[in-house]
Amino acid sequence: NAGVTQTPKFQVLKTGQSMTLQCAQDMNHNSMYWYRQDPGMGLRLIYYSASEGTTDKGEVPNGYNVSRLNKREFSLRLESAAPSQTSVYFCASRDNQPQHFGDGTRLSIL
Amino acid sequence: RKEVEQDPGPFNVPEGATVAFNCTYSNSASQSFFWYRQDCRKEPKLLMSVYSSGNEDGRFTAQLNRASQYISLLIRDSKLSDSATYLCVVTLDSNYQLIWGAGTKLIIKP
Repeated sequence: NAGVTQTPKFQVLKTGQSMTLQCAQDMNHNSMYWYRQDPGMGLRLIYYSASEGTTDKGEVPNGYNVSRLNKREFSLRLESAAPSQTSVYFCASRDNQPQHFGDGTRLSIL
Repeated sequence: RKEVEQDPGPFNVPEGATVAFNCTYSNSASQSFFWYRQDCRKEPKLLMSVYSSGNEDGRFTAQLNRASQYISLLIRDSKLSDSATYLCVVTLDSNYQLIWGAGTKLIIKP
């Protein structure tokens, strides 16, 4: 069972470049989430999608956009990457249970 | 004041000892509580839910104190493999967001 799959696992970008982080879950969960994790900061919610067709801002949405493509997939887009967006990004999904996480994407912006 | 607060540690504990740490939350309407563990450079994984009456899972005991608004995690007979960061999570069931603590780092020494 794959659970939550994130791609890519690692990425290095130059300032100003754009990219999309992909996330897919095969557990038929309604809710999906994107977090970033920085040293000493814990997990901070960027965006979440309570159900297919809906998205909402979390704690730190600036500089990001999301798309809930269907029930399985929830992508995170950086339109113009900045060094402050260097972080580890986690996707998670959930129904009436605790969250299940993907392996994370380690993103460096130079 | 942060919504969910944890002592960042690290807690340096000899193998076989008992260790406990707390997590305080600010919103009295919080409904669900969980402990996750996170190994270095890995995704968070659910350790256990925290129930009102307290609950035990092997060497791990979780408790909830609603009056003082904190949850606790106690680890008995600690193992080297218990070394990790322990994250507490609080939910408000009125929405889909989970509030994460920044984590407590635990190091078990031989």
